[in-house]
Amino acid sequence: DQQVKQNSPSLSVQEGRISILNCDYTNSMFDYFLWYKKYPAEGPTFLISISSIKDKNEDGRFTVFLNKSAKHLSLHIVPSQPGDSAVYFCAAGYGQNFVFGPGTRLSVLP
Amino acid sequence: DTGVSQDPRHKITKRGQNVTFRCDPISEHNRLYWYRQTLGQGPEFLTYFQNEAQLEKSRLLSDRFSAERPKGSFSTLEIQRTEQGDSAMYLCASSRLAGSQDTQYFGPGTRLTVL
Repeated sequence: DQQVKQNSPSLSVQEGRISILNCDYTNSMFDYFLWYKKYPAEGPTFLISISSIKDKNEDGRFTVFLNKSAKHLSLHIVPSQPGDSAVYFCAAGYGQNFVFGPGTRLSVLP
Repeated sequence: DTGVSQDPRHKITKRGQNVTFRCDPISEHNRLYWYRQTLGQGPEFLTYFQNEAQLEKSRLLSDRFSAERPKGSFSTLEIQRTEQGDSAMYLCASSRLAGSQDTQYFGPGTRLTVL
């Protein structure tokens, strides 16, 4: 049973446009959510997080939105750059328990 | 560089052999995690230490797997009698609990190939 789902295995976006990556979760105990970016042959790199007490967190070009009632979060990247091309993982957790989604491969086309 | 480091980066072994991986966390981090990642999947939790105490182990961690963090600093993950199904990327992460939230920082991983 997948507690964290990323239903789009891949996404292609034109440089300069907005990238929207989606994530759904099932466990209502999750109270902290994170996005990681992963390049080939490297470990995941932390991007941005959000607590369940917020519905939005912004850091530069990256914004994460949380809709608790729908158990859905999204990552917006504006504007998208070719260097953003990577696999993006959503993670959800409570305490020290974290579950990762399967990832979405983002390709930003020049 | 003061990030999480892992050694070796790559390991090729024959089925039945034992392998050991090392993780050095960020120095002020008291929590250390091991994950396994296979192609097309996200990291799957294996085990977790707070200081030197191993507080949680996943069902994925069979008896052939053992992890230690003897002095609450670096950690080792040993796999005995490796099987082809153990082939994966083994990731280590560390964190320092801030309030109720725990942001984990990952190392580059050790890619294990079992022939």
